[in-house]
Amino acid sequence: QKEVEQDPGPLSVPEGAIVSLNCTYSNSAFQYFMWYRQYSRKGPELLMYTYSSGNKEDGRFTAQVDKSSKYISLFIRDSQPSDSATYLCAMSGGRDDKIIFGKGTRLHILP
Amino acid sequence: GAGVSQTPSNKVTEKGKYVELRCDPISGHTALYWYRQSLGQGPEFLIYFQGTGAADDSGLPNDRFFAVRPEGSVSTLKIQRTERGDSAVYLCASSLRRETEAFFGQGTRLTVV
Repeated sequence: QKEVEQDPGPLSVPEGAIVSLNCTYSNSAFQYFMWYRQYSRKGPELLMYTYSSGNKEDGRFTAQVDKSSKYISLFIRDSQPSDSATYLCAMSGGRDDKIIFGKGTRLHILP
Repeated sequence: GAGVSQTPSNKVTEKGKYVELRCDPISGHTALYWYRQSLGQGPEFLIYFQGTGAADDSGLPNDRFFAVRPEGSVSTLKIQRTERGDSAVYLCASSLRRETEAFFGQGTRLTVV
């Protein structure tokens, strides 16, 4: 079992819909959870950063962490074609301090 | 800009050659990471520096890969005797300290022919 599991998609949704992206993980020591957005041929761009369990909201984006279930989510409200990208979950805080990434989910917002 | 800068953006080299990839982190960031990303995959951890020292190099695939950060700022990833399997995008990221947000550069696309 990989440390971080993420469905690669692709996920296609109509413009304006609510998008739900998620990851599961196996290492209970993870405490820091991140979501990155990556456009084609670009570096990952940090979207959301949360510590421990709970919710965090920033504009149209909401990140949720459920440490008891080892499950994290990213919700995008009022999705727009410019949201089309690959979304990477990432986490750290384990013994080694390195940041571990999921494989990324490709998202397509259809106009 | 004040972001992470990586040079070159693209590098094509022949199998067996030596390459150096450079990363300029955000000023004042003490932590620096190198990752490798293949097509359709998430970034794969290579090495992590805290200041000048390599805090974790467990992701380096073999002894052909080496990285330095002599003054705690700029870092260079060095690959000896390149192989076609080394072809990937090499990403660098920095953060203010460990376990805070990491910001990535645009990457160096390495192609070994």
